[in-house]
Amino acid sequence: DAGVIQSPRHEVTEMGQEVTLRCKPISGHNSLFWYRQTMMRGLELLIYFNNNVPIDDSGMPEDRFSAKMPNASFSTLKIQPSEPRDSAVYFCASSAMMNTEAFFGQGTRLTVV
Amino acid sequence: KQEVTQIPAALSVPEGENLVLNCSFTDSAIYNLQWFRQDPGKGLTSLLLIQSSQREQTSGRLNASLDKSSGRSTLYIAASQPGDSATYLCAVGDNYQLIWGAGTKLIIKP
Repeated sequence: DAGVIQSPRHEVTEMGQEVTLRCKPISGHNSLFWYRQTMMRGLELLIYFNNNVPIDDSGMPEDRFSAKMPNASFSTLKIQPSEPRDSAVYFCASSAMMNTEAFFGQGTRLTVV
Repeated sequence: KQEVTQIPAALSVPEGENLVLNCSFTDSAIYNLQWFRQDPGKGLTSLLLIQSSQREQTSGRLNASLDKSSGRSTLYIAASQPGDSATYLCAVGDNYQLIWGAGTKLIIKP
């Protein structure tokens, strides 16, 4: 398996624009996570899906952030409108089931100018 | 509330030495503990997962131990190599969430 695949790897956008980050989890995994990593706050869980259903979105910072998982092989994280403080590395991770080993993608480095 | 601490924040050792990285947590009611490495500008690579019922796990030159009663885990790296230079993070499994330490930045000097 190719592992968790995220796209794009890098994204530079202007403040106010919409940004969509994409994730393909490992085939057969039923848990999917979106994390954000910054120097100041470290790794933060944004949202957790189980069997394509959002279970915990309490980490989503604001209504500007939304996430979807239309099927078991694809998830998106959307920021609209984007702001400079959203600049961070966004990671997607998946695991076979809850409380098993988590595998991370390479991340998307987002810069909002 | 679970808190995870990794000390030291940075460590520099000569190549070939054996070394131990530490991770402590405040609540012993954990599901598992996972060690990751992160190279600069890269993603997180899972190294070892220890379930709450286990005491240790080994993979190659790496050995991770878990002592829930004392709230501690260690990652032992044998015969360190320059390629081991990275940031090592431990994460405690709390239901579906991973609670993260801040990491130890390891530098292996050739």
